[in-house]
Amino acid sequence: SAVISQKPSRDICQRGTSLTIQCQVDSQVTMMFWYRQQPGQSLTLIATANQGSEATYESGFVIDKFPISRPNLTFSTLTVSNMSPEDSSIYLCSVEIGGLREKLFFGSGTQLSVL
Amino acid sequence: AQSVSQHNHHVILSEAASLELGCNYSYGGTVNLFWYVQYPGQHLQLLLKYFSGDPLVKGIKGFEAEFIKSKFSFNLRKPSVQWSDTAEYFCAVNADTGRRALTFGSGTRLQVQP
Repeated sequence: SAVISQKPSRDICQRGTSLTIQCQVDSQVTMMFWYRQQPGQSLTLIATANQGSEATYESGFVIDKFPISRPNLTFSTLTVSNMSPEDSSIYLCSVEIGGLREKLFFGSGTQLSVL
Repeated sequence: AQSVSQHNHHVILSEAASLELGCNYSYGGTVNLFWYVQYPGQHLQLLLKYFSGDPLVKGIKGFEAEFIKSKFSFNLRKPSVQWSDTAEYFCAVNADTGRRALTFGSGTRLQVQP
């Protein structure tokens, strides 16, 4: 299994500012993902964080708005830039260990509210 | 593109009642299927998964799910629910296309009344 520490757990931010969310895993992982869970909705994949290269973004998500870093195999950050109230959501880090046939682990999430 | 539909958005049951939550996916090829649970204030946890073999999959806490390929379905069942099963349940699919991330359904909120 894996222990995922996600920080901050929640934050309230002003419109136009940026927030960086950190995801730290206690073991080396093959894949790291960032999801968004908007109020009353399901999880939507934002991007796959690739170690040593640019993240792979899903349709509707761009690097300028959600820059992602992954400097090593245990750590990644997601920044929500130039925030608006529509960005209020839960942001979740997810990791895959040992291939998809193993469990996919989720962090506890970051509850973001933008005023 | 793959998609997942969960038609029951909010289910209210009494303790000891039987549970069945529907999940349908749209993808014609090989799929891997999952059910996750999110208890209030907690993170997502895997309930069960299907990759191949016996289409009736047993998971934790007495849950099971049946993969019916002809119906593109993977419904979750439990014969007798408990108050502690109150949670949000998400069905997810991963098509065998090499894309590693999961596509999630919209979720079903289960409320079990004592």
